[in-house]
Amino acid sequence: GAGVSQSPRYKVAKRGQDVALRCDPISGHVSLFWYQQALGQGPEFLTYFQNEAQLDKSGLPSDRFFAERPEGSVSTLKIQRTQQEDSAVYLCASSWEPGTGSLWDKNIQYFGAGTRLSVL
Amino acid sequence: AQKVTQAQTEISVVEKEDVTLDCVYETRDTTYYLFWYKQPPSGELVFLIRRNSFDEQNEISGRYSWNFQKSTSSFNFTITASQVVDSAVYFCALSAINSGNTPLVFGKGTRLSVIA
Repeated sequence: GAGVSQSPRYKVAKRGQDVALRCDPISGHVSLFWYQQALGQGPEFLTYFQNEAQLDKSGLPSDRFFAERPEGSVSTLKIQRTQQEDSAVYLCASSWEPGTGSLWDKNIQYFGAGTRLSVL
Repeated sequence: AQKVTQAQTEISVVEKEDVTLDCVYETRDTTYYLFWYKQPPSGELVFLIRRNSFDEQNEISGRYSWNFQKSTSSFNFTITASQVVDSAVYFCALSAINSGNTPLVFGKGTRLSVIA
């Protein structure tokens, strides 16, 4: 079946612009995560949804970052008034919720190819 | 707090050589998951393996094998008879085991280059 899909793949923004990054999770996955990956670093957690509920947003670096998943499927990560330090790859991952679906898939996060954001 | 350390930043090997990628972790949790992911140039993180902390049995899958040693908090990954297609950045990751899904804590990755 289809994997996690992210769009756009590349985004160039001028400093101060707002951007919106989209994530389409694997069909049926109720858990969705956003990560930020700086150049040469490992991904770092931003926020987590279970269906439409945002259960953890402890990793969001500032109040300029906002994520939503209104219908429990597609999610959007929005960054307001972008800054140069926001330049990174933004990765989305989805997974089964424990207690549903395949036991083998429990807690395994499947990632999209990411959106590379460059803020000039 | 949880932490994953991948001390090897870059490794370069000649095709058909064996190579081991090191991973050391820190956690206060008594139960946890450990993972390895591969990130090819396309950017997508590809899941390779997940281990439970209560299962220290080593695992082999084709040319890949994993050595989990709880006593040294290590979860090393060996590729036997490496191939050019193995060239990628490899990440080790850790997560707690809770009733719900939990975020992954990643190491900084090891860039593996396999030269023909």
